[in-house]
Amino acid sequence: DQQVKQNSPSLSVQEGRISILNCDYTNSMFDYFLWYKKYPAEGPTFLISISSIKDKNEDGRFTVFLNKSAKHLSLHIVPSQPGDSAVYFCAAAAQGGSEKLVFGKGMKLTVNP
Amino acid sequence: ETGVTQSPTHLIKTRGQQVTLRCSSQSGHNTVSWYQQALGQGPQFIFQYYREEENGRGNFPPRFSGLQFPNYSSELNVNALELDDSALYLCASSLDRGLYGYTFGSGTRLTVV
Repeated sequence: DQQVKQNSPSLSVQEGRISILNCDYTNSMFDYFLWYKKYPAEGPTFLISISSIKDKNEDGRFTVFLNKSAKHLSLHIVPSQPGDSAVYFCAAAAQGGSEKLVFGKGMKLTVNP
Repeated sequence: ETGVTQSPTHLIKTRGQQVTLRCSSQSGHNTVSWYQQALGQGPQFIFQYYREEENGRGNFPPRFSGLQFPNYSSELNVNALELDDSALYLCASSLDRGLYGYTFGSGTRLTVV
């Protein structure tokens, strides 16, 4: 039972263009969402997060949008750079108890020069 | 400020054996969480330790056990290894069970043959 879904396993974009990574969730108790980036042989690195009280959070080239009614979030990277090539994980949590993260399967982003 | 360090980085074990993985939390962090990442999947929560007590457990059998020490470092023990236990094991540390500053180590790659 996948509570966090990243339905596209991969995405390829040209350098300088926008990358849009999507994530859907099923558990209404989730109230905090995070994106992690992972390079081979490294642990996941925190990228950006959003609380359910917001619908948008921006940090430099990275913006996360949250649509609670659709249980959908997306990560926009503008402009995309070759160094952004990595596996991106969407994660969700229901705060207030054990602060575990529920992850999607990940999406491999390739940014071509 | 040191990050999260895990040892060993790679390990090969035989089915039925026992294994111990180690994690040193980031300086100032008192909470350690363990995740299992199988090939092609996102990380799955195993359990969390806060101030030496287990603070939540995922859907893993009792042969997965853990420990947290007074210096907040942690161990993950797996008994009676099965082939399906082959995965990347990730440790993450944070402060006071929170998700802010949740930092992952690079993981231990366990192969069970």
